[in-house]
Amino acid sequence: QITLKESGPTLVKPTQTLTLTCTFSGFSLSTSGVGVGWIRQPPGKALEWLALIYWNDDKRYSPSLKSRLTITKDTSKNQVVLTMTNMDPVDTATYYCAHRGYSGYVGYWGQGTLVTVSS
Amino acid sequence: QSVLTQPPSVSGAPGQRVTISCTGSSSNIGAGYDVHWYQQLPGTAPKLLIYGNSNRPSGVPDRFSGSKSGTSASLAITGLQAEDEADYYCQSYDSSLSGPDVFGTGTKVTVL
Repeated sequence: QITLKESGPTLVKPTQTLTLTCTFSGFSLSTSGVGVGWIRQPPGKALEWLALIYWNDDKRYSPSLKSRLTITKDTSKNQVVLTMTNMDPVDTATYYCAHRGYSGYVGYWGQGTLVTVSS
Repeated sequence: QSVLTQPPSVSGAPGQRVTISCTGSSSNIGAGYDVHWYQQLPGTAPKLLIYGNSNRPSGVPDRFSGSKSGTSASLAITGLQAEDEADYYCQSYDSSLSGPDVFGTGTKVTVL
């Protein structure tokens, strides 16, 4: 079965760079049409797509955060890494890793990891 | 703010029918892109509820149904139950943003 799990720091200081790793199993990111993305949710607020990387290395970023985000994949390790620079307290959120299938929906989610930005 | 707008909250008594709208524009729902719906119970990750506008994944009760028309989509819950109290989000793609997909603003369903 498909599983995804996020890992990374739970606390970062303002201006620091956040690096999150999604380790997945049950599918290959070299399969046509498949994508793995990052979605965040500030406490009490809505979901927000951050970035998405496809099987062919096509990358999509949220227009409002594009300058701060980088998404990469390591197909051999079944991992996707997201970096977000210049973290701010407003970036405090639960960050989810997600499997996006060919039809565009997220069929599988990680459990999420809460990242707090505070000095 | 999202390009997909949902009502902040809807409520209904057990057994009633409630609907949640997801209003977009000509660059997303109106352009023909599919709409998907998710249910998020408190403290948990979202769960796929409806995909491709009106399709239910295996295991989702048929009390949940989706539809799409023009630049909007809707999620209906019939025979509302206490366990349906949750946040609901729509998702689609917007061709004007060149980004990943977009989520709606989210709707809290309260069972009275």
